[in-house]
Amino acid sequence: KAGVTQTPRYLIKTRGQQVTLSCSPISGHRSVSWYQQTPGQGLQFLFEYFSETQRNKGNFPGRFSGRQFSNSRSEMNVSTLELGDSALYLCASSLDGNTEAFFGQGTRLTVV
Amino acid sequence: AQTVTQSQPEMSVQEAETVTLSCTYDTSENNYYLFWYKQPPSRQMILVIRQEAYKQQNATENRFSVNFQKAAKSFSLKISDSQLGDTAMYFCAFMKIFGGATNKLIFGTGTLLAVQP
Repeated sequence: KAGVTQTPRYLIKTRGQQVTLSCSPISGHRSVSWYQQTPGQGLQFLFEYFSETQRNKGNFPGRFSGRQFSNSRSEMNVSTLELGDSALYLCASSLDGNTEAFFGQGTRLTVV
Repeated sequence: AQTVTQSQPEMSVQEAETVTLSCTYDTSENNYYLFWYKQPPSRQMILVIRQEAYKQQNATENRFSVNFQKAAKSFSLKISDSQLGDTAMYFCAFMKIFGGATNKLIFGTGTLLAVQP
């Protein structure tokens, strides 16, 4: 059974640009969550999607958005990138959001 | 709001020995999960063990076991017979359970464990 797949693994963007990250959950999992990991702030919850609906959102500016497709795949988008958005972005999937989450390998975003 | 505290930023243990990582949390909720995740240098977050708050019995997974003290809001991880592959950052995490749960994990700051040969 394939695990959670995140693409791309690495990304370098310039300030002001926008970026889209993708996450394919484990087959059968309908909940997808996104986390940002930085040395200063640690691991922080961004948002969670279930059946194409955002159910919960963390304390991030509106520049951070996401969506989920009918096949449960999810994308997150960051617009008007800032240097502080440089981070490891982790995606996690679970069956229904009420059980343990399994993580992908992350996307390392560097903003220059 | 829930908080998770890991007071040991770094720890070291000799191969084959036992080590215990500490975690405390603060919540007014009664139904929740607690997890330990490990993050090796590859950065992949790997689930180590899970504990449901309503279960009194401590969870075990092979060489990994927890000491869950609900009243004290304490959730420590014991690693027995430590192996070099256990070298990683270990995160304690809390997740509230409620109808329409959203899988929102609250993480501690992590403990970097180094297993020495």
